Amino acid sequence: GESVGLHLPTLSVQEGDNSIINCAYSNSASDYFIWYKQESGKGPQFIIDIRSNMDKRQGQRVTVLLNKTVKHLSLQIAATQPGDSAVYFCAENIIGQNFVFGPGTRLSVLP
Amino acid sequence: DTAVSQTPKYLVTQMGNDKSIKCEQNLGHDTMYWYKQDSKKFLKIMFSYNNKELIINETVPNRFSPKSPDKAHLNLHINSLELGDSAVYFCASSRPGETQYFGPGTRLLVL
Repeated sequence: GESVGLHLPTLSVQEGDNSIINCAYSNSASDYFIWYKQESGKGPQFIIDIRSNMDKRQGQRVTVLLNKTVKHLSLQIAATQPGDSAVYFCAENIIGQNFVFGPGTRLSVLP
Repeated sequence: DTAVSQTPKYLVTQMGNDKSIKCEQNLGHDTMYWYKQDSKKFLKIMFSYNNKELIINETVPNRFSPKSPDKAHLNLHINSLELGDSAVYFCASSRPGETQYFGPGTRLLVL
């Protein structure tokens, strides 16, 4: 079975609100995590990553939080825009092994 | 200037046929991958390959075989196509242990 999962398969938010997408992982040895965005008809696109020696990392309008104690990863999107509508995947990696992807969360931005 | 490209974008074929999907990357990465994405958007790795090692997901039928003519290309050949092979296939590339860059996907429909 896969070791990465998501609590919410779908998430609807109002335009301008903040979005939080969650991800649970089960392998405590994972040391590198990535969030990907997949728009309709396209391949997954890198958004932001974080290594296990950090608990927070910020990008442009996005923040990733890592809680190793409870093996939880989240993606926060500030001021959600219509262009943020997509499926979001978390992925975990152990050095020398392949990435394992979670099942994805669909984010719908409401006008 | 496309980083990872795949052809064809769409592939419709009859059950029992043999088909190939091509992938090329111009990022100079050493490692390339093939993923299968099912109708529920679940991403599953099929193969990872660099110039030294091929790692096969043990759940992948041996009807699927990767072929790499050079470091920039990793093609996917599928023998005796089955209905259950219908999916979107993504090629990706990366430096070892770093984020993967995905191609636009090939939508395969087996009739």
